[in-house]
Parts: sequence; C-alpha cells; structure tokens
Amino acid sequence: EAGVTQSPTHLIKTRGQQATLRCSPISGHTSVYWYQQALGLGLQFLLWYDEGEERNRGNFPPRFSGRQFPNYSSELNVNALELEDSALYLCASSKHPGGQETQYFGPGTRLLVL
Amino acid sequence: AQSVAQPEDQVNVAEGNPLTVKCTYSVSGNPYLFWYVQYPNRGLQFLLKYITGDNLVKGSYGFEAEFNKSQTSFHLKKPSALVSDSALYFCAVRALPGQNFVFGPGTRLSVLP
Repeated sequence: EAGVTQSPTHLIKTRGQQATLRCSPISGHTSVYWYQQALGLGLQFLLWYDEGEERNRGNFPPRFSGRQFPNYSSELNVNALELEDSALYLCASSKHPGGQETQYFGPGTRLLVL
Repeated sequence: AQSVAQPEDQVNVAEGNPLTVKCTYSVSGNPYLFWYVQYPNRGLQFLLKYITGDNLVKGSYGFEAEFNKSQTSFHLKKPSALVSDSALYFCAVRALPGQNFVFGPGTRLSVLP
C-alpha cells in the first residue's frame, strides 16, 4: 500500500511570491491534515479537510489556504510569502475523521523563502 | 482545551539500557493518545496509540507505552535501546472527533554506543 506522497520535496521562493504544495493521501483515506514544522519548533496544525470540506483551521493568517479535491488529494497555498514561512510542511491522512483514527504522514515539503 | 507536554527536550541513554520518553496531557474527556517518531529530514512515523482497554500498549520496533489516567501520562518505553532509535519523538492527543491532533514539542532521544 502506497503511503502519503507530497510534492515537491523542496521549494525555493522569494518573499512576496506564492507557493503551492500538494499531497496525495493513502488510498481509501478521506481526511487530510496539514502541519507546519519550523526549525526548532514542534508541529503546528494548519488545516484539516475531510470529504472536500474544511473541518478545522489552526491559528494561521488567511494567506494560508487550501482545498481538497474529489479524489481526496489536497493542495496547500501560501500567498505573500514571508521569510518566517520557511519550514517543513507535513501532510497526513486518516481513514476517517474520527478521534481514534491514526494519522499517517508524508515525507514533507521543505519550503525556503529568500 | 487540549495540551500535551513533553518535559524533557533531550534524553540520553546508553545502548542496551532501557529508555523512557515522558508525555503528560490535559484534555476534557477521554483521550486518544499517540506516539510518533521522526528521523532527520523525514516525516513522522506512527509508533503506537492508546484508545481504550489495556493500559500497556505495544507498538512498532519494540516500543510500548503505558497509559496512566490518574497521572494523565502516556510515557514511551523500550526495554533495550538501540543506536538506531536515536530520533525525535512526538506525543499527540486528540479528545473529540471534531478536534485536531495536538502535538507535544518533541523529545530528542540520543542512544550512545
């Protein structure tokens, strides 16, 4: 069974540009989660999608947005990039949105903003 | 509100010795508790979870964790540490289906040969 995949693996942008990160969940999983892991910090929850709907959002500005497609893949968009957006962005998926469901993580996209 | 604490930033242990990585939590209601491991430049790998039932949960790579409701703890343990266990370990909690995971800050484990 293929795991969660993310693309690209690395992304270099300049301040003010837009970044688009993509995630494909494990087959059969309907929920997709996005996290930001900045250097020296833990995982900060960004967004949660299930069945195409945004279920919850973390404490991030509106320039962080995303969507989930009918095939359950997801896209994270970061507009007006700032230097502090440089981080590892992790996507996870789970079979259902239930509390006991395990989240399985992808390898991440490392975003560098210059 | 949910919260997770990992009181130790760093844990050092000699290879072959038992290891413990500590986690305490605060939730309203019954918690679902998880442990993940992260190797350098990699995503998180699931180790084990507690949902209900037996307080001792066994997981991948010989790891286990003990749920203690009175102490609100979920410590990760392994009887004999390997150098390859050196990594960053995260504890996470989720109390209600509509809420997201809350992760602890992580504990860096170093197993010395």
